[in-house]
Order: sequence, then C-alpha cells, then structure tokens
Amino acid sequence: EVQLVQSGAEVKKPGESLKISCKVSGDSFTRYWLGWVRQVPGKGLEWMGIIYPGESDTRYGPSFQGQVTISADKSISTAYLKWRSLKASDTAMYYCARQGGSGLAFDYWGQGTLVTVSS
Amino acid sequence: DIQLTQSPSFLSASVGDRVTITCRASQDISSYLAWYQQRPGKAPKLLIYGASTLQSGVPSRFSGSGSGTEFTLTIISLQPEDFATYYCHQLNSYFPTFGGGTKVEIK
Repeated sequence: EVQLVQSGAEVKKPGESLKISCKVSGDSFTRYWLGWVRQVPGKGLEWMGIIYPGESDTRYGPSFQGQVTISADKSISTAYLKWRSLKASDTAMYYCARQGGSGLAFDYWGQGTLVTVSS
Repeated sequence: DIQLTQSPSFLSASVGDRVTITCRASQDISSYLAWYQQRPGKAPKLLIYGASTLQSGVPSRFSGSGSGTEFTLTIISLQPEDFATYYCHQLNSYFPTFGGGTKVEIK
C-alpha cells in the first residue's frame, strides 16, 4: 500500500527557516512526480510545485517560485519543502501528493503538515 | 495561468438528492481534469481523473463528464459521507491549478 507520511506540525517565528518532509513507502519513489499543495485555513487548494525524484527535475507555481525550495533524497524516499525566511502569510496546511498513473492527478496524499508562523 | 471557476461555491442538499457541480476552464484543457473530495480536517481524495474516469475504490454514484472548457461532477443519491468540499484540478498546463471549491452541506 502506498503511503505518504509527513512530518509533524510546526510553530515558527517570522524570519525563521523551516524544512518539512514527506516520506513515501509502498511503491517506487523515483518513478512518479511528487507535488506540494498549500491550503490556507478556511481556503482552497493551491498548487505549489512538483519534483521528479528520479532526476530531481523541479517545477514551481508562479506564486511560489523563489519563495520555497522543493527537494528530494532518493536514498530515504523523502521529499522536502523548505523556506529560508518564513512570513506570517505562510501559515497554512501543506500537503504532499503523488502524481501517479491516474491521468497525472494526485492519487495519493500525505496527511498534511500544519505550519503556523507567528511572533 | 489557466483559471478554473467552480459553481456553485456552496450548495445545500438532502440525503438522496442528485447534485451537480460545474467547473469551467479559462481555456481548452482537453480532458486533463480531476475532481477531489475533501472532508473537514482531512487530506483531499481523488474521485475522478481524465474528466470522466472513476478512481479505483470510489463509489459509482460519482461521475464526471465534459471536455474542453466545461466539466461537471455529478453525485446521484447523495449519502451522509458525501457532505464535503469538492475541487476540480486542471493538469493541462505547465502550471496546474485548482478550482475554488464547492462546499456541499446538509439541508
């Protein structure tokens, strides 16, 4: 069974850095694209970006380019989402999701990581 | 960016009702559209991909149709567990986007 398990909730101050993770098990890590999706509390889903761990090919949504870094470590089947300097507006739930064979849709999702940025 | 407009943004329905949600794309996306269900406090769940293909394990009361710029998600005979928010998702462009969501609540 494919599982995406994300790291736990984080509480940070503005200006701090953060890296959250998404560990994949139950299937090949390098054969599928892995994406990140943001959901601000009470709002909709936003496509942040995606990585192909097999080649570390990465793509970012226009609103997120330069704001976050997506990376992956094939040796431990884990993808990451990193911020260098958090803002209060980064407060949100972040989901990782696998872009599988289902017409490029996200067929498996992590449980989400809540990031709270507050002074 | 390709914009997706869902309507309605909110609907109130009863158990057993037939519900239809529309998703309109700002340009032709062929059949590169998916639908997800998100229950409160949970991650989204894939229901439909390729505009009309039911994801494995999803009940047959869910169906999707459309191509080009207009798509629909239909739920026949709404069940208690179907009260949730539904999102469409286009995968045709270099930058995929989601619709704004449709919240289905109990009347």
